Amino acid sequence: NFMLTQPHSVSESPGKTVTISCTGSSGNIASNYVQWFQQRPGSAPTTVIYENTQRPSGVPDRFSGSIDSSSNSASLTISGLKTEDEAYYYCQSYDTTNQGVFGGGTKLTVL
Amino acid sequence: QVQLVQSGAEVKKPGASVKLSCKASGYSFTSYHMHWVRQAPGQGLEWMGVINCANGSIRNAREFQGRVTMTRDTSTTTVYMELLSLRSEDTAMYYCAKSPWFDPWGQGSLVTVSS
Repeated sequence: NFMLTQPHSVSESPGKTVTISCTGSSGNIASNYVQWFQQRPGSAPTTVIYENTQRPSGVPDRFSGSIDSSSNSASLTISGLKTEDEAYYYCQSYDTTNQGVFGGGTKLTVL
Repeated sequence: QVQLVQSGAEVKKPGASVKLSCKASGYSFTSYHMHWVRQAPGQGLEWMGVINCANGSIRNAREFQGRVTMTRDTSTTTVYMELLSLRSEDTAMYYCAKSPWFDPWGQGSLVTVSS
């Protein structure tokens, strides 16, 4: 089964830049779009990146997404970190049979 | 604005079934699919399936084949998800989310399965 692997946790200081990776277990991650979601404790997820690199309206341009086919991975980069960015982040895509797949989630700590 | 409002919390016994609703507003209901995603306590997100709100066709996650039914009512712009043969492991928050990019999400419906 196709899986998306994320680091369990990352931490960085306010004002710095952090990158969260999402690596596909097989195939070509570029075959389907990757989305990224932010989830704060006690709240529903919200979309911060869709179609690999696109930001929904209202999401600051400090959030950016990218794809690296050579490593079969997607990345979410957050620059100018703020304490309010502290949350869990999940990547999502589809396997070759159009089954939805989520990464296991990454806890971002801003300290 | 686009909004998804889900039904309230449910407490069920093992073996029972639960039917959750997700009322959509603010967009053309039949132009988009609707996903269902669940999250067990302290765990990550799990994709359950997606329904085509135009024709009612469904694509379920393999893990839920035969146990999940999704339907929609175009007159009330509401999507339903029914989960059968509940077990304790089904205790989770259940979310609906509008396609194509899971945006927005509903507020979630908590289902507790306990004897």
